[in-house]
This record gives sequence, structure tokens and C-alpha cells, in this order.
Amino acid sequence: AQRVTQPEKLLSVFKGAPVELKCNYSYSGSPELFWYVQYSRQRLQLLLRHISRESIKGFTADLNKGETSFHLKKPFAQEEDSAMYYCALLSGGYQKVTFGTGTKLQVIP
Amino acid sequence: EAGVTQFPSHSVIEKGQTVTLRCDPISGHDNLYWYRRVMGKEIKFLLHFVKESKQDESGMPNNRFLAERTGGTYSTLKVQPAELEDSGVYFCASSQDLNTEAFFGQGTRLTVV
Repeated sequence: AQRVTQPEKLLSVFKGAPVELKCNYSYSGSPELFWYVQYSRQRLQLLLRHISRESIKGFTADLNKGETSFHLKKPFAQEEDSAMYYCALLSGGYQKVTFGTGTKLQVIP
Repeated sequence: EAGVTQFPSHSVIEKGQTVTLRCDPISGHDNLYWYRRVMGKEIKFLLHFVKESKQDESGMPNNRFLAERTGGTYSTLKVQPAELEDSGVYFCASSQDLNTEAFFGQGTRLTVV
């Protein structure tokens, strides 16, 4: 069965410091991974997906199949990055998404 | 363009009562999904509609939960009778195709007391 693990419930960093939100997964097939973000009082929204290999709002995430990880990184945190971040795994062809428990990122001014 | 809309935003009911949650997907999106997050746990998949058909309902917790999507437009999720452990946030999402981004509603916070 597929599983997504986000070990940190809360991550606090100072503005301008680097950020790394950890995500590990277990899945026997070829995974498709995403990061979703939910800002305060807003909807859950897609931040980035690994197949796009893009940088959104300065965030990047690299799929490491050897370590089964998909950590989210940003070199310099901004206050507006404060939010809940969910790592998610798409298994199969029907968008049955498995989410992690989420990490709350708090950027301290 | 309107996004995915969920009603109500918050519902407080007593144990044993019935509650119906509604989701209006983005117009033209054939795929509609329900998810749930109970306190302290991950967001879990409940089921997936393609138009009016249930494609995958493997995540539905038990037979107290009934989801419908008559006509392939909006969907309802009924909990009858509600139990305390049903409390949580229920999310709906829709996508145009299976491999395109799914857009989420703001969720319905259900509190069973």
C-alpha cells in the first residue's frame, strides 16, 4: 500500500533562512508526487509536481527514487511562505491521491 | 471563473443526526473527488466520480456514508447517522481530465457533538 510520511508537524525558520520540508513515500510502482499548500483561510492548492520539474514561488522539489524522498526546498524563506504544506502521491491512473499529514511552516520575521 | 464550491462551510450536528454536504465542481470537470481530514491525521481519499459514475469508492469508511452525483454535475455526501468520529474537514476537488490538476474547494468542517 502507498504511504506518504512527513515527519515534521511544525517547522519554524527565520525569514531569509533556507527551508527544507521533508517527505518520504512508499509505493511499489512508479510514483507521481506533488506538493500542495494551504495558506491561512484559503483553499488547498497545487504548488508543484515532480514531473514538471519547475520552480514555483522559489520552491523546488526533486524526486529521489533511491531514498524514496521528495523534499521541498527554498533557499530563502519569506513571511508569505507561512502555510500548511502537504506532500502527496498519485498512485494508479485515477487521481487517487495519498496525502501526508502535513507540515506547518512558520516563517519568523 | 468560479472554483470548486462547498456547502456548508461549517456544520455542527448531534450524534445520530443526518448531514448532507454539497460540492459544486468547476463547470465542465467530469472528475470529482471527496477527501476527508480527521483531526491530527492525513487527508484521506474517500471516492472519485467520473461524471455520474463512481469510479473508485474504496476510501469510504462505512455504509453510513453515501455519495451521489446525479446528472454528473454537483455531488452530495450524506452521513447518516453521524458519529463522533466523523468530525473533520471534508474536501471536494474536481479535475477536467485524469491527468490534469485537481482544484480543491475550501472544505466543510463537520463537528459531531
